[in-house]
Amino acid sequence: SQKIEQNSEALNIQEGKTATLTCNYTNYSPAYLQWYRQDPGRGPVFLLLIRENEKEKRKERLKVTFDTTLKQSLFHITASQPADSATYLCALENYQLIWGAGTKLIIKP
Amino acid sequence: KAGVTQTPRYLIKTRGQQVTLSCSPISGHRSVSWYQQTPGQGLQFLFEYFSETQRNKGNFPGRFSGRQFSNSRSEMNVSTLELGDSALYLCASSPKGPGQGSYEQYFGPGTRLTVT
Repeated sequence: SQKIEQNSEALNIQEGKTATLTCNYTNYSPAYLQWYRQDPGRGPVFLLLIRENEKEKRKERLKVTFDTTLKQSLFHITASQPADSATYLCALENYQLIWGAGTKLIIKP
Repeated sequence: KAGVTQTPRYLIKTRGQQVTLSCSPISGHRSVSWYQQTPGQGLQFLFEYFSETQRNKGNFPGRFSGRQFSNSRSEMNVSTLELGDSALYLCASSPKGPGQGSYEQYFGPGTRLTVT
């Protein structure tokens, strides 16, 4: 069956460092992969989308990579700030969206 | 453009009752999806509507139903509420339908449903 895995444990990063979150999947061939940010009690906010034929996508301090051979996407936040603390969700798309459970990121001042 | 709106924001119901939640998508968006989110289960897909037709459905019992109107506004209904239905219900709209290319979702603030 299709499966998406994100780090279930919270990720603690020192302010100013680069935070790297992982999204692994099996038994799936997504056409797109999306990343979202969710704050407590709020709906997720779309951040970035990367296509299957793209290796890397950047937006300001955010960078996403997509390796269809490894079946993995990495989401990087450079120069992290406490305001970046949130839960980050990945979602795979191929006609419909399949969601990961999310990774909680904590940026410590 | 105004974002996705959901009403009500908070709701308390008793077991056995039914509830209707409403969602207004971003203007011009024809696709509306509904999700249930609980701390233990994460984001669970309920169903998706595009141009008033249900296009995809998640693995939920028939007590969960929805519909979409000609103006793209959507409602979801849960009948015979159970304690386990307590959750944050999120609505999301998208400018494209399934299979039409990148399908990013724009979420509303959610409706917090508590069943007692």
